Amino acid sequence: QVQLVQSGAEVKKPGASVKVSCKASGYTFTSYYMHWVRQAPGQGLEWMGIINPSDGSTTYAQKFQGRVTMTRDTSTSTVYMELSSLRSEDTAVYYCARADYGGNSVEYWGQGTLVTVSS
Amino acid sequence: QSALTQPPSASGSPGQSVTFSCTGTSSDVGGYNYVSWYQQHPGKAPKLLIYEVSKRPSGVPDRFSGSKSGNTASLTVSGLQAEDEADYYCCSYAGSNNFVFGTGTKVTVL
Repeated sequence: QVQLVQSGAEVKKPGASVKVSCKASGYTFTSYYMHWVRQAPGQGLEWMGIINPSDGSTTYAQKFQGRVTMTRDTSTSTVYMELSSLRSEDTAVYYCARADYGGNSVEYWGQGTLVTVSS
Repeated sequence: QSALTQPPSASGSPGQSVTFSCTGTSSDVGGYNYVSWYQQHPGKAPKLLIYEVSKRPSGVPDRFSGSKSGNTASLTVSGLQAEDEADYYCCSYAGSNNFVFGTGTKVTVL
C-alpha cells in the first residue's frame, strides 16, 4: 500500500531554514508527481509546489518562489522540501502529497510535519 | 494566484443534502476540468473525495458528487451522516503545473 512518511516536528528561529523529508513506499516512486501543501493553525490548505521525481523538475507557487526548494533522492524514494528565511507566519503543518496518475489531484497524503517558527 | 472562494460554512440535518460552491476564474476552475475535492477531519490529513470535477475514487461513497458550471464547481453531499461533519476544500489546476486550493467550507451536521 502507498505510504508517505514524513520527518518529525521542527522548531526554528526566525530567519532560519527548515528541511522536511517525505519517504515514499508502495509504488514506483518516479511515476507520480509529489505536491507540497501547508496548513497554518486553524487555517486552510495552501499549495506550495510540485516536483516530478522522475527528472527533479519543479514548479513553485509564486508566493514561495525564491524561498522554497524541492528536491528528490531516487535511491531512497524520498522527496525534500526546504523553506528558508522563516518567519512566524510559516508556522504550519507541512504535507507531502502524491498526485494521482493523471497528475491533477492529490491521491495520498503524508501524516504532516509541524514546523514552528518562534524566537 | 488567489485562493478559490468557498462559503465558510454549510449545514444540514442527517439524511438531508447539502451543496456548496467553489468559485474561481477562467484561469483555473473555468479553464480546466481538473477540480478536486478533499475532506478533512480535525487533526487529520485531507482525503480525496472527487477528482476531475465529478469522478469518485474507489471507496468513496456515491453520496458525494461533484459538478461544474463555468467558473464555479460544486460538491453535493447527499444523505448527510454524522461522520460527514468536517472541513471540505476544493482544488483546481491553474495552468503551467500550478494548483490552487479553495478557502474551505466547514460542514455541520445538525
